[in-house]
Amino acid sequence: GENVEQHPSTLSVQEGDSAVIKCTYSDSASNYFPWYKQELGKGPQLIIDIRSNVGEKKDQRIAVTLNKTAKHFSLHITETQPEDSAVYFCAAIADQTGANNLFFGTGTRLTVIP
Amino acid sequence: DSGVTQTPKHLITATGQRVTLRCSPRSGDLSVYWYQQSLDQGLQFLIQYYNGEERAKGNILERFSAQQFPDLHSELNLSSLELGDSALYFCASQRGGEETQYFGPGTRLLVL
Repeated sequence: GENVEQHPSTLSVQEGDSAVIKCTYSDSASNYFPWYKQELGKGPQLIIDIRSNVGEKKDQRIAVTLNKTAKHFSLHITETQPEDSAVYFCAAIADQTGANNLFFGTGTRLTVIP
Repeated sequence: DSGVTQTPKHLITATGQRVTLRCSPRSGDLSVYWYQQSLDQGLQFLIQYYNGEERAKGNILERFSAQQFPDLHSELNLSSLELGDSALYFCASQRGGEETQYFGPGTRLLVL
């Protein structure tokens, strides 16, 4: 099955700086890569996603890049704010059996220091 | 607010007991996924239902079962509970033909 690795596990940045979280995946058949933000006591919230036919996608301060050849994708948050502090998960879908279940990375705890 | 609801929010029970977790998907979503989030295993897929039928199984124990009803809400049944079953349980819903999954707020299960 798919194996998604995520780094770093923790990340502290000063407010206004950029944050980058990286993920790799193992299954070349994976074609959809969402990123979720999870705040304390809440469920994962989709913040951005990218499909395998696209190399980069941006939404205001958040961007995701995908390198299919290297099988890795990254989340970039610019001009970080204290409310960006949360745990971020990358995920991948390898739809080989008709199922679309997500395979998650282990999460990155981002702390933005005011 | 994702539009996915889960009840109860918290559940405390004893080993050996049985509990039922409930999930209502977003209006119009046919698929429901169940995930378990624990400190040592992270977020793991348990089972998927699509329009009332089981579609895929992940790392779901035999003591666990689920179903999806005609109104599309789903229930996850956990029986013969063990201490290690303590975790957050999330459901996510998905519209037919789309990939995006929207997560509910979760049920925190504590087995004592």
